Amino acid sequence: DAKTTQPPSMDCAEGRAANLPCNHSTISGNEYVYWYRQIHSQGPQYIIHGLKNNETNEMASLIITEDRKSSTLILPHATLRDTAVYYCIVSGGTSYGKLTFGQGTILTVHP
Amino acid sequence: DGGITQSPKYLFRKEGQNVTLSCEQNLNHDAMYWYRQDPGQGLRLIYYSQIVNDFQKGDIAEGYSVSREKKESFPLTVTSAQKNPTAFYLCASLPRTGALNQPQHFGDGTRLSIL
Repeated sequence: DAKTTQPPSMDCAEGRAANLPCNHSTISGNEYVYWYRQIHSQGPQYIIHGLKNNETNEMASLIITEDRKSSTLILPHATLRDTAVYYCIVSGGTSYGKLTFGQGTILTVHP
Repeated sequence: DGGITQSPKYLFRKEGQNVTLSCEQNLNHDAMYWYRQDPGQGLRLIYYSQIVNDFQKGDIAEGYSVSREKKESFPLTVTSAQKNPTAFYLCASLPRTGALNQPQHFGDGTRLSIL
């Protein structure tokens, strides 16, 4: 699986958009970009995923660059409950479903 | 609602003791996974199973054992050979391992500590 690079921490004001970047320059053609988040002492929660097109669901939007070497997760109106560790993961190919989690980005939403 | 249930939420192990962590899913998924998470770190794969009666070692299988006798159950045993078992253990599942376009579902974890 391709490795990803994320900033260790970010801050965001409540009600504003949170934009979390991720670099995955070695991604291969059949690998998807997944985003999960983890609140302390809970299991990771799936947010969104995509291959090459931008995606949107009720939780977030995912913007993938045309060369697929980076992506941005957008939480349009961050709330205090969005404070968590956010993981960007690239998965697919022959990885038998294994997810490789890095250290992620600690997002802190302030009142 | 369908999901993954892990139990217990907290578990304590004495020196030299084996302990078993439970993972049950009612999602009808073929593939199941066990991960270990240490403080401030990402997840590392211990074992995975693609189908009933089959399982494979992950990246850090030493000191652990698993079984997959039923589709919905994938228990993990932490043996006395695992010298540093204190960690947060997470179970996950996928419809099947080749499902590249499907997210993994996770349980809420078991926190294991040494007495």
